[in-house]
Amino acid sequence: GQNIDQPTEMTATEGAIVQINCTYQTSGFNGLFWYQQHAGEAPTFLSYNVLDGLEEKGRFSSFLSRSKGYSYLLLKELQMKDSASYLCAVNLNRDDKIIFGKGTRLHILP
Amino acid sequence: DAEITQSPRHKITETGRQVTLACHQTWNHNNMFWYRQDLGHGLRLIHYSYGVHDTNKGEVSDGYSVSRSNTEDLPLTLESAASSQTSVYFCASSDSRTSDTQYFGPGTRLTVL
Repeated sequence: GQNIDQPTEMTATEGAIVQINCTYQTSGFNGLFWYQQHAGEAPTFLSYNVLDGLEEKGRFSSFLSRSKGYSYLLLKELQMKDSASYLCAVNLNRDDKIIFGKGTRLHILP
Repeated sequence: DAEITQSPRHKITETGRQVTLACHQTWNHNNMFWYRQDLGHGLRLIHYSYGVHDTNKGEVSDGYSVSRSNTEDLPLTLESAASSQTSVYFCASSDSRTSDTQYFGPGTRLTVL
């Protein structure tokens, strides 16, 4: 079966740094996505890692270790608008089908 | 600007009725997907399509059907709505020729009474 694990909830302070972890055990792997989803809205694309290592995009960075089945999303200089759910998703094969984790709800405190 | 839209945004129906949720994208993407999102389950794949006249079952396809008669549209039909199908439904599309990234529509909140 497919298994993607991430913490259910996290809390952090405005201006701080937070790391959201994701571990996966899947039948195939072609890449890992992170999506952001504000309450009542659609998921929006943040990052896609195919190769091992860290990719930085402004305040957000995403890391992948394929050998460990592990990824994290790093958010720096947290802002109140970063309060949202963050979804980890694995692209299983070259057929564009994605399996999503249950998401991590991030609360930002002033 | 290219976009992906869903209609209706909210729907209340009764058990046993047939319901169709529309999804329309103007990106000319070849792939389209339907998900449902429920508390405690995250996003689960219902059906997907890689092109015109192609449809495939996802993880939770029972009680749902789709058809793809053109590139832009992938309507989702609930043949006989059940209370267990109360959920938020998201449509997504991607272009496998350029990227694996899926882009999501705004969602439809369906309540089955």
